[in-house]
Amino acid sequence: GENVEQHPSTLSVQEGDSAVIKCTYSDSASNYFPWYKQELGKRPQLIIDIRSNVGEKKDQRIAVTLNKTAKHFSLHITETQPEDSAVYFCAASIQGGSEKLVFGKGTKLTVNP
Amino acid sequence: NAGVTQTPKFQVLKTGQSMTLQCAQDMNHNSMYWYRQDPGMGLRLIYYSASEGTTDKGEVPNGYNVSRLNKREFSLRLESAAPSQTSVYFCASSLEAVSTDTQYFGPGTRLTVL
Repeated sequence: GENVEQHPSTLSVQEGDSAVIKCTYSDSASNYFPWYKQELGKRPQLIIDIRSNVGEKKDQRIAVTLNKTAKHFSLHITETQPEDSAVYFCAASIQGGSEKLVFGKGTKLTVNP
Repeated sequence: NAGVTQTPKFQVLKTGQSMTLQCAQDMNHNSMYWYRQDPGMGLRLIYYSASEGTTDKGEVPNGYNVSRLNKREFSLRLESAAPSQTSVYFCASSLEAVSTDTQYFGPGTRLTVL
């Protein structure tokens, strides 16, 4: 079935460094790729998303890139801060008449002061 | 505007007991979803409702049933709970299809089945 692979599962960086999380997907018809941030004990919240007609999108310190040919997309966080520490999930939309999202397994990001 | 709300926040069941998780949204969204979250497994879709009156299975529907009671409410029922259903359950909603509109999550229900 449809699958989204996410790497790494854990990532530890020093404050001020950059963090990169990568995802690959299997459904070539996927056209929407959101990223969610989940703080401990909280609900997932959308932080950025990208659609298949765009190669890159940036929002302040966060950027997402998409390579449709290779079927992978990445989240880039620059100038990391301790409050960026959380679990990040990528997802891809699955088409075929019944739209839904398939999520990666998550990356636990720790930003050390 | 409360967004997506879920009840209860916590629940402990014994094996074989039944219960219904409630979800409601006040954003006039058409689509609603139920996910479960297990450590290291991400979010897995149980059931979803693309519009009032329709429901479809997701990735892990076995052992669950759903009801789209009206446009606002989408409930998840466990008829005979099993320890494998111990998880955190999230309800979500979006205005239209997930590839068009942002999906908003509720605060979650932490369920333990003994």
